Amino acid sequence: ETGVTQSPTHLIKTRGQQVTLRCSSQSGHNTVSWYQQALGQGPQFIFQYYREEENGRGNFPPRFSGLQFPNYSSELNVNALELDDSALYLCASSPWIGEKLFFGSGTQLSFL
Amino acid sequence: SQQGEEDPQALSIQEGENATMNCSYKTSINNLQWYRQNSGRGLVHLILIRSNEREKHSGRLRVTLDTSKKSSSLLITASRAADTASYFCATDANKGIQGAQKLVFGQGTRLTINP
Repeated sequence: ETGVTQSPTHLIKTRGQQVTLRCSSQSGHNTVSWYQQALGQGPQFIFQYYREEENGRGNFPPRFSGLQFPNYSSELNVNALELDDSALYLCASSPWIGEKLFFGSGTQLSFL
Repeated sequence: SQQGEEDPQALSIQEGENATMNCSYKTSINNLQWYRQNSGRGLVHLILIRSNEREKHSGRLRVTLDTSKKSSSLLITASRAADTASYFCATDANKGIQGAQKLVFGQGTRLTINP
């Protein structure tokens, strides 16, 4: 049990739609990161938030955006969904930058 | 792009045997971490080893790090059926507290323990 919860567990969308994924971190965890994991691959870094500000981003377009709230919850928003966005989206938190990450169970995004 | 490469991609052994997985990476790092993933769900942290460390132990796990060869290995001793999972190494190149911690994962090793 990592203390990080994600919702929903599964989502089914169609191309062009928008989606919001949610994450609740442990109290006291100042960083939250989002990763995308395609089937059979390792997770890929999307971005990290530290004390409610984005402080780093991977190779993902601007239609991937996020928010971190003071109550240790966060969101990942993806606009104009493309079929290649089909993946498991993982949220991870840690007390400080440079420490081990605590991952949630992920949200599986699929397409009709 | 993925920096780490795990070897082998898949490993199947008998319960009670030892399992060794290797990881190679390309750039200098601050630390290297190993994670386990069951059935495509969330990752569980196993061990973090810093660039100035050479070996770390945690229960039945032993991790080594050779920064000159840019490689690491994870040894699981006396394997159990419950160890069946995918194992990933992840490198963290961030050396400060200001920049983002961008873990770069390999493609993982699928470990199967046969009873």
